[in-house]
Amino acid sequence: DSGVTQTPKHLITATGQRVTLRCSPRSGDLSVYWYQQSLDQGLQFLIQYYNGEERAKGNILERFSAQQFPDLHSELNLSSLELGDSALYFCASSVAEGKLFFGSGTQLSVL
Amino acid sequence: GESVGLHLPTLSVQEGDNSIINCAYSNSASDYFIWYKQESGKGPQFIIDIRSNMDKRQGQRVTVLLNKTVKHLSLQIAATQPGDSAVYFCAETPQGGKLIFGQGTELSVKP
Repeated sequence: DSGVTQTPKHLITATGQRVTLRCSPRSGDLSVYWYQQSLDQGLQFLIQYYNGEERAKGNILERFSAQQFPDLHSELNLSSLELGDSALYFCASSVAEGKLFFGSGTQLSVL
Repeated sequence: GESVGLHLPTLSVQEGDNSIINCAYSNSASDYFIWYKQESGKGPQFIIDIRSNMDKRQGQRVTVLLNKTVKHLSLQIAATQPGDSAVYFCAETPQGGKLIFGQGTELSVKP
C-alpha cells in the first residue's frame, strides 16, 4: 500500500458528461501529481500541485482541470467527456520533486 | 525532444534466471532516474532509484546500472520469481523537472 488513496476505483459515464476524481496523498506529502495511462500513450503527466498551488502542467486538455485543497487532497475534473478520455487516471504524491508514490488509479470508461 | 524509451517491449524469462530490462534516455541533463513496477490493476510501484553521480545501485534482488556516456539505464532482477511478472517503467527527471516515463517493458516469468 503506497499510502495514496484514490476514489472511485471505477467510473462509467457517457460522452459529454463531467466527472470528478479524488486523491488523498500520503501523510506529509505536499506535492500531488495526476497522470493518465492509456494503452497507446503510456503514462502521461497531466498536472502537479504543490501545497495548494499549481506547480507544473503537462499534456492536460482544456476540458480537464484540477485543484489541491488546504487539507492537501486533490481533485481532477474531466468535462465534456469523449470516448478517447477512457483511461486509467493515477494520482501520485511526493514530499518533494523526485520519488513519486502512486495510488491504485481510477479506471474511467466513457461510453 | 525529451524521450525515454525501452529497447524491448516484452521479456520472457525462466523462473530462477536473472532478468535485465533496458532503457535509453535522450536528455543528457537528466540527473535522477527511477524504475517502477506495475502489476495488473495496480498503480506503479517504486522499485529503485539512482542519481546521475552514481553508476550502480543495489537493492534487494535488484540492481540499477546507469551509463551516462551512452545514456542507458538497466534494471537487473536476480533469481526472477513469478511475482516479478509485471510491466516495468523507467523514468527520468531532467534537473528538477517532471518525471518522464518510458513506454514500459512487460516481464513474463515462466515457471
